Amino acid sequence: GNSVTQMEGPVTLSEEAFLTINCTYTATGYPSLFWYVQYPGEGLQLLLKATKADDKGSNKGFEATYRKETTSFHLEKGSVQVSDSAVYFCALKQAGSYQLTFGKGTKLSVIP
Amino acid sequence: KAGVTQTPRYLIKTRGQQVTLSCSPISGHRSVSWYQQTPGQGLQFLFEYFSETQRNKGNFPGRFSGRQFSNSRSEMNVSTLELGDSALYLCASHPTSGSGGTGELFFGEGSRLTVL
Repeated sequence: GNSVTQMEGPVTLSEEAFLTINCTYTATGYPSLFWYVQYPGEGLQLLLKATKADDKGSNKGFEATYRKETTSFHLEKGSVQVSDSAVYFCALKQAGSYQLTFGKGTKLSVIP
Repeated sequence: KAGVTQTPRYLIKTRGQQVTLSCSPISGHRSVSWYQQTPGQGLQFLFEYFSETQRNKGNFPGRFSGRQFSNSRSEMNVSTLELGDSALYLCASHPTSGSGGTGELFFGEGSRLTVL
């Protein structure tokens, strides 16, 4: 079956540091890949997505590239801010399905 | 445009009781999915409804059930509650297309259930 593995947290960074959150997946075929973010006290919201190999998703300074050869979709940001403190979830979706398979989430704390 | 609304936001039950959670999707969204979020298991898919029909179901026991009404509002029910059912239950709606959509789900803030 499908599965998503992402690095365990929590991750604590100083403001303006570089962020990488690793995500790898197991799936048949060519799933779509997503990063969702959950800010404190809020529901999950889509951060970025990529639907085919070598696609790069980007939003709010975050980027992730769909790497078919390494089955990875690592999230990066060049300079984090305190407002980026949240829990980040990597997820995949098979074509023709509405079901998302999520990783367990990585909690990021950014300190001034 | 109003977001996904879940009620109640918090509730406490005791073992053996049952609970019903409600979800109102974004206007125009006809599909609703439910997820259980726990610290140990993360986010796990419960079920998905479209036009009052359950299209997909996750690996949960029969104590977990749901339904969708003609106005797209959805409810989920958990009977004979167990301590392990304590979790944040998230509802998500999404616009629907024939190919499984874009995958963007719009989540509510969740209903936090505590079972004592």
